[in-house]
Amino acid sequence: AQKITQTQPGMFVQEKEAVTLDCTYDTSDPSYGLFWYKQPSSGEMIFLIYQGSYDQQNATEGRYSLNFQKARKSANLVISASQLGDSAMYFCAMREAYSGTYKYIFGTGTRLKVLA
Amino acid sequence: GAVVSQHPSRVICKSGTSVKIECRSLDFQATTMFWYRQFPKQSLMLMATSNEGSKATYEQGVEKDKFLINHASLTLSTLTVTSAHPEDSSFYICSARSISTDTQYFGPGTRLTVL
Repeated sequence: AQKITQTQPGMFVQEKEAVTLDCTYDTSDPSYGLFWYKQPSSGEMIFLIYQGSYDQQNATEGRYSLNFQKARKSANLVISASQLGDSAMYFCAMREAYSGTYKYIFGTGTRLKVLA
Repeated sequence: GAVVSQHPSRVICKSGTSVKIECRSLDFQATTMFWYRQFPKQSLMLMATSNEGSKATYEQGVEKDKFLINHASLTLSTLTVTSAHPEDSSFYICSARSISTDTQYFGPGTRLTVL
């Protein structure tokens, strides 16, 4: 069965430092997509970055990059030059292509706190 | 682009009443929308998948008659919590799937409190 695991319930990082949020997944589907979302205290889910299972290069979006290690089934989010506004809950999600439902499976989330 | 709105953002109602929550994709068409429920400090739990012009597909354990979903157009899905009880109090979030980017974009959520 498909599964997403985020093992870090909470993380602290100093402002301007880089931080890595872990995400591992399990699927038997050869075609899948991996997503990261940010959820600030206001509640909205903000899309950050996407990685397709067949993508040759790691995805990057501004200060966000995804360290995709397919053999290890990991898709860690790297935030460079952390800012106070990065403090939020971060969710990793996976979508399997063959299911045809486009459903996402979410991890339990990591709460990031950026320290001044 | 890819903006999803939800209305209302907050609602307080008495036990036994019904509450309707709207989810709209503002600048794209969404044949598929999703409804999630989130308890405090927990992850999102998928309740149902809403497909335009057809019946919603509910996840195991979600009562169809309790949570009525209608997806009448390519930009609007509604969730009606019928005969709400205090245990239905939660944060409800919708998302809409963009066909062009194959990504789900989320609404800002609706906080429901049932007294």
